[in-house]
Amino acid sequence: DAKTTQPPSMDCAEGRAANLPCNHSTISGNEYVYWYRQIHSQGPQYIIHGLKNNETNEMASLIITEDRKSSTLILPHATLRDTAVYYCIVRRPLTDSWGKLQFGAGTQVVVTP
Amino acid sequence: GAGVSQSPSNKVTEKGKDVELRCDPISGHTALYWYRQRLGQGLEFLIYFQGNSAPDKSGLPSDRFSAERTGESVSTLTIQRTQQEDSAVYLCASSLRAISNQPQHFGDGTRLSIL
Repeated sequence: DAKTTQPPSMDCAEGRAANLPCNHSTISGNEYVYWYRQIHSQGPQYIIHGLKNNETNEMASLIITEDRKSSTLILPHATLRDTAVYYCIVRRPLTDSWGKLQFGAGTQVVVTP
Repeated sequence: GAGVSQSPSNKVTEKGKDVELRCDPISGHTALYWYRQRLGQGLEFLIYFQGNSAPDKSGLPSDRFSAERTGESVSTLTIQRTQQEDSAVYLCASSLRAISNQPQHFGDGTRLSIL
C-alpha cells in the first residue's frame, strides 16, 4: 500500500473551512484514499473515501487531484468538536491486507473559538 | 444501537489474571477486526474474521491472546495470564465485507489496565 504524508498539526478557526492535505505520490491505480479521525479517548471514526472522483458526504468533502498523487479533506464549517487527529490512508481493496489498517502519525487539528 | 459496541469500556485487573473483552459488530457486517492501541501510539492489528472463513490471526502477539466469533455476530477477545505490557485500548471494528472498498467502523474500545 502507498505511503502517505500529512502535516503534523494545523489550527483552524471555528466556523471556517478546514483543508487537510495528504500526499500519496506512490498511489497505484486501484488504491482508494480513506480518511479517519480519532477524537481523544474515542475509537477512530470513518469520514470518507474515494478512488478518483471527488466525494462529499454529511461530514466532509474529499478532493483528489487528477494525477491522484494528493488529496484534500475539507471540513466545510469546523466546530470545536472537530478537534481530533486526522488520518489519511491509502488501501487496496480486494486484497487480504485491507483488513489490517495502519494509521500513520496523522494531522492533529485544533479548532479554536 | 447502530454502531459497534464494546464492553466493558474499562477493565482493571491484576497481572496474571485472564480477561475477556466483548465486541458487538454493526448488524449485517460480515467482517470483524480487533486492534490494540497503546498510549500515544497507532493501531496494531491483532486478528480479523470474515464470515465463516478461517480468521487471520497473524497479528496476535503471543499464544496468550485468542479470539472467537460465533457466525457473524459477537466476538470475544481473551487474554490469558495478563502482563503489564498488555495495558492498552483494545478496539473492535466491523465492515460489510473484509476484502472490498467498504470502510471499517470502530467501537470506542476497552481500556485495559494491568496492575
